[in-house]
Amino acid sequence: NAGVTQTPKFRILKIGQSMTLQCAQDMNHNYMYWYRQDPGMGLKLIYYSVGAGITDKGEVPNGYNVSRSTTEDFPLRLELAAPSQTSVYFCATKDRAHEQFFGPGTRLTVL
Amino acid sequence: GEDVEQSLFLSVREGDSSVINCTYTDSSSTYLYWYKQEPGAGLQLLTYIFSNMDMKQDQRLTVLLNKKDKHLSLRIADTQTGDSAIYFCAEASYQKVTFGTGTKLQVIP
Repeated sequence: NAGVTQTPKFRILKIGQSMTLQCAQDMNHNYMYWYRQDPGMGLKLIYYSVGAGITDKGEVPNGYNVSRSTTEDFPLRLELAAPSQTSVYFCATKDRAHEQFFGPGTRLTVL
Repeated sequence: GEDVEQSLFLSVREGDSSVINCTYTDSSSTYLYWYKQEPGAGLQLLTYIFSNMDMKQDQRLTVLLNKKDKHLSLRIADTQTGDSAIYFCAEASYQKVTFGTGTKLQVIP
């Protein structure tokens, strides 16, 4: 099992560009999450999903969009990249139990 | 909203015990967690405690929960250089998990 995979590992964007961060899981978990981690800070929840077809905003959703058409995939879309979105992005999953499983992260720089 | 606070930095000598503290505000928390993050990696669950427990021990790790004061601590016995990492406290209520800012543990050989 691959667990939680994220692509790409690194990306540099110019201001105003758009991109999609991919997250995939093969554990059949219903819950999926997107977090951002700024330097020296904890994780802030961007969006989450409790199952296919259902998404909801977290603490810092502005500038992002998500979709959840399948259980396996939970892509995060940045439409108009801004320097404030420079961060490390982590995807995570959870089943009915309490443990969250994290992907390795995507390091995004917006110049 | 929910808030989870931790001190930013802790330095200990190899072989000593480390104690990392955390305070939280959400009284409806069901689970409280400790995660470890090594450089360039995602978070890995170390241990957790259910909110109706006071203490949990797991090998070198001891978690203490004071629900009245909303205070959580993680004690690492016989701290090793491999324990150097950032440790995140987190609390879960309903469908969300709120993370603290992380405590960077430095182990001096």
